[in-house]
Amino acid sequence: SQTIHQWPATLVQPVGSPLSLECTVEGTSNPNLYWYRQAAGRGLQLLFYSVGIGQISSEVPQNLSASRPQDRQFILSSKKLLLSDSGFYLCAWSVLLSEAFFGQGTRLTVV
Amino acid sequence: GENVEQHPSTLSVQEGDSAVIKCTYSDSASNYFPWYKQELGKGPQLIIDIRSNVGEKKDQRIAVTLNKTAKHFSLHITETQPEDSAVYFCAARATGFQKLVFGTGTRLLVSP
Repeated sequence: SQTIHQWPATLVQPVGSPLSLECTVEGTSNPNLYWYRQAAGRGLQLLFYSVGIGQISSEVPQNLSASRPQDRQFILSSKKLLLSDSGFYLCAWSVLLSEAFFGQGTRLTVV
Repeated sequence: GENVEQHPSTLSVQEGDSAVIKCTYSDSASNYFPWYKQELGKGPQLIIDIRSNVGEKKDQRIAVTLNKTAKHFSLHITETQPEDSAVYFCAARATGFQKLVFGTGTRLLVSP
């Protein structure tokens, strides 16, 4: 069966520090991978998606970047965090014509 | 691009009542409409979905209806229970597109 792992679950980082969130998927090949951000009490904002290794599409201009070094690995990064980067970050995967499956999320607080 | 609107933003019901959440979409090419339930501090979980070739789908106490002409779809929960309390998201996707577009969510509170 397919599983998705996302870590860490919570993270507190100072303003200006770097960020690296990692997501891996097991049990499937060539998935579409997604990073979403959810601000407190808000909906799901798509940040990046990837249809293959090295292929990244950015949905909104921001202080973040994404990379896909392996088929089932998706990384969300920042060189210098801003206060506005705080939120709940969710990784998800899907295959064509199916639903998206979400990880358990990372709650990032930038202080 | 696709735009999905969801109403209401909050919904309070008594245990045993029914709850209805409505979404509208803008892209007539959208043909897949899932609903997700998100409990506090967790990732969203798919609870039911519908494709554009059907008008209604039911799974026990949960049902989804789709009106392609009006471009809206709804989630119906009957005989609500306190454990139904959560945030519910609707979403839409068109064939050939890789991404789901989500509504803004509905916080459902079921009081005992």
